[in-house]
Amino acid sequence: DVKVTQSSRYLVKRTGEKVFLECVQDMDHENMFWYRQDPGLGLRLIYFSYDVKMKEKGDIPEGYSVSREKKERFSLILESASTNQTSMYLCASFPVGGTDTQYFGPGTRLTVL
Amino acid sequence: QQQVKQSPQSLIVQKGGIPIINCAYENTAFDYFPWYQQFPGKGPALLIAIRPDVSEKKEGRFTISFNKSAKQFSLHIMDSQPGDSATYFCAASKGGRRALTFGSGTRLQVQP
Repeated sequence: DVKVTQSSRYLVKRTGEKVFLECVQDMDHENMFWYRQDPGLGLRLIYFSYDVKMKEKGDIPEGYSVSREKKERFSLILESASTNQTSMYLCASFPVGGTDTQYFGPGTRLTVL
Repeated sequence: QQQVKQSPQSLIVQKGGIPIINCAYENTAFDYFPWYQQFPGKGPALLIAIRPDVSEKKEGRFTISFNKSAKQFSLHIMDSQPGDSATYFCAASKGGRRALTFGSGTRLQVQP
């Protein structure tokens, strides 16, 4: 079974703090994604990566950065957290040449006070 | 600009009913249209997907209908069960890297 794990299920941070969200997948997938989920807006793509050290901006990259130093790990970084970044963050992975299924982690609910 | 529009926002049906969720897209370059199911506290999971070269796809009680000329696709759940109560998202993507554009979601409640 494919497993995508996220470092925390719940996280509470203060405005201005630097926040790291970690995602690890165990299936050697090339593509990894970060989405945020907000009520009424669905899931929106923040960043994705198709290889180690490669990254591409999604639809809402402002205020975020990413790091992919190893194939299995994709980190989302909030350089200076703001209250409008309070959201559910979902990581997903997908293999090149696979069945087109994106596998999602359980999500991290981040609250910025 | 919302590239994939989903309706309705919420839906309540009786057990055995056939809920229908609709999505419309704008980008004609999209070539892959999945539906995801999400239960509370879980990440979304792929339910069924279709490519634009077919007009319908069935997997068990779930059917996607696809209308390429209208740029619309819909999910039908036959003989719905209380266990189908979840949030459903349509999505679309283009190209090989499969970054998905999601609809806004439909919260389905199937009453016993």
